[in-house]
Amino acid sequence: DIQMTQSPSSLSASVGDRVTITCRASQSISNFLNWYQQKPGAAPKLLIYAASSLQSGVPSRFTGSGSGTDFTLSISSLQPEDFATYYCQQSYSARSFGQGTKLEIK
Amino acid sequence: QVQVVQSGAEGKKPGASVKVSCKPSGYTFNTYGINWVRQAPGQGLEWMGWISTDSADTEYPQKFQGRITLTTDTSASTAYMELRSLRSDDTAVYYCVRESRTSPYYFDYWGQGTLVTVSS
Repeated sequence: DIQMTQSPSSLSASVGDRVTITCRASQSISNFLNWYQQKPGAAPKLLIYAASSLQSGVPSRFTGSGSGTDFTLSISSLQPEDFATYYCQQSYSARSFGQGTKLEIK
Repeated sequence: QVQVVQSGAEGKKPGASVKVSCKPSGYTFNTYGINWVRQAPGQGLEWMGWISTDSADTEYPQKFQGRITLTTDTSASTAYMELRSLRSDDTAVYYCVRESRTSPYYFDYWGQGTLVTVSS
């Protein structure tokens, strides 16, 4: 099974900041890496697929990069609605998620 | 527009089984696979399995093999997740999720979630 590890587990930032979340796979997954955003009480929402492709309707301040085992999700100029929990997910072999990164307001 | 509607909350006793239904709409049912993901209270997302709505092929992680069954009723455009031998740590919100048709695969539409509470 492929294990996904995110860091940090939590992060405090201010509106307007740029933040980066990392995700590491236990083996190479090429670019089969997706990112989701989840707000309390809601289902997750797809942000980025195939490591760097922006899902339709998602603001361009979200960017994804990486390949192989190391990936990043960056959010430039944080907006109030961006404070949420973020998950990475691999779709290279079966499916698995990272443990999540909770982004909180400083 | 695509929507994924799941059945309502369930309360079960330990050892019982639960069957959650999922009815997508807004597209041809048997052209996209369905995954199930759960989330225990305050915890992260856990993948439970996948079913092809075309061939009924399934894939389950080792953790759930023998205890979960995913099925579909193509005539009703509905997918089902049955989990048996429930324990208190199966208490979670269960999501039905549509997966993209082709590689690269991603989960693009999520149901609203079904809360399953397991308690004596």
